[in-house]
Amino acid sequence: SQTIHQWPATLVQPVGSPLSLECTVEGTSNPNLYWYRQAAGRGLQLLFYSVGIGQISSEVPQNLSASRPQDRQFILSSKKLLLSDSGFYLCAWREHTGVDTGELFFGEGSRLTVL
Amino acid sequence: AQSVTQLGSHVSVSEGALVLLRCNYSSSVPPYLFWYVQYPNQGLQLLLKYTSAATLVKGINGFEAEFKKSETSFHLTKPSAHMSDAAEYFCAVSDKIRGSYIPTFGRGTSLIVHP
Repeated sequence: SQTIHQWPATLVQPVGSPLSLECTVEGTSNPNLYWYRQAAGRGLQLLFYSVGIGQISSEVPQNLSASRPQDRQFILSSKKLLLSDSGFYLCAWREHTGVDTGELFFGEGSRLTVL
Repeated sequence: AQSVTQLGSHVSVSEGALVLLRCNYSSSVPPYLFWYVQYPNQGLQLLLKYTSAATLVKGINGFEAEFKKSETSFHLTKPSAHMSDAAEYFCAVSDKIRGSYIPTFGRGTSLIVHP
């Protein structure tokens, strides 16, 4: 069966420090991968998605970047964190089987607090 | 672009009472619709989905939702609330961007269940 892992689960970082959040999917190949950010009362904001290795689409211009160095690995990064980067970050994947409906499978999330 | 509106950021019910969480969407084409549930500090789990088959969709944990095209609605219901239903609920609609279905999420409704 397929599983998705995110780490770290919790992170407290000072303003101006770098960031790296990792996400890996197991049990599938060539998944579509997504990074969402969830801020209190604001729902889920799509940050990046990837349809293959090295292919990244950015939905919102901001202080963050994403990379996909391997088929089942998706990394969210920042060179210098801002206070506004605080939030709950969710990685998700989708498989190309059957009818493509957009159903996503989510990781457990990474809570980032920038002080 | 498609959009989702969830009416009410908080819904409070008594244990055993009917649960009704409202979702309206906008779409220029027949959509795929989803309800996800999120427990504190966890990722999202799929409750149910509408993919143009039966308009009344049954999901996990006793939840169901009815697709009403004339009202552009996809409200989530459960006949009898349980304490364990307390969580955040997200409605989502699929939007085909750049050849790939990507869901757009509502802002979420927090369900509070009183004993």
